[in-house]
Amino acid sequence: QVTLKESGPVLVKPTETLTLTCTVSGFSLSNARMGVSWIRQPPGKALEWLAHIFSNDEKSYSTSLKSRLTISKDTSKSQVVLTMTNMDPVDTATYYCARIRRGYFHFDYWGQGTLVTVSS
Amino acid sequence: QSALTQPASVSGSPGQSITISCTGTSSDVGGYNYVSWYQQHPGKAPKLMIYEVSNRPSGVSNRFSGSKSGNTASLTISGLQAEDEADYYCSSYTSSSTIPYVFGTGTKVTVL
Repeated sequence: QVTLKESGPVLVKPTETLTLTCTVSGFSLSNARMGVSWIRQPPGKALEWLAHIFSNDEKSYSTSLKSRLTISKDTSKSQVVLTMTNMDPVDTATYYCARIRRGYFHFDYWGQGTLVTVSS
Repeated sequence: QSALTQPASVSGSPGQSITISCTGTSSDVGGYNYVSWYQQHPGKAPKLMIYEVSNRPSGVSNRFSGSKSGNTASLTISGLQAEDEADYYCSSYTSSSTIPYVFGTGTKVTVL
C-alpha cells in the first residue's frame, strides 16, 4: 500500500525558512522509476506545482519560486525534504507531496497535506 | 505559464451526466496526451480520477470518463451521485520552460 505523509511546522514567521518532510511507504525512493513532487494549495485556491525529485537525484523547480526552493531526499529514511526560504504570508497554503513515475505525467498518490500559515 | 481554464461551477441532478471542460494551449493540453483529472473533497487530498486523457486508475468508477479535442480536455461524470459533489482539477504536462506541470483553475461540482 502506497502512502505519503507530510510533516512540518504549522506556523512560520515572515522571512523564516520552511522545512517540510514527506515520508513515503509502499515504494522505494531508490526505484529508478519513482519520484516525488511537492504541490501547494492556498486556502480556497487552485493547486500549484512546486518541485520534484527522482531516484537518480534529478530535480526540477517552478521557475517562479526556484530561487527559494530546495528539494532533496534521504533514501534510507524514505523521506523527501522541501525547504522554502524567505516565507511570506502569500505562501500560506496546504502543502502536499505526491508520487510521480518516470515516463508518466500525473500524480497517482497524494499525502494528506499539511497546512502552513505564515504570520508574525 | 497560465493555469488551465475550467468553469467555476457545474451542477446536475442525481442520475444526470455533467461535463467539465479544461482549456489550455498547444503547449500543454493540445500538444500532449498527458491530461489528468483530480477529485478533491473538502479538507481532503486530491485523488487521481483520470490520467493520460482517458485512462481510469484501478478502483475509480467507470462513471468517470475523459476525452480531449484540440486544446480542450473534458471530464464527464455520468449517473451523478451525491458523493461526486467535490472540486475537480485538471492538469497537463507542459512544454513551458517555467514548469513541467500546470493545473486548472478548478470546478466545483454540485449535486442538486
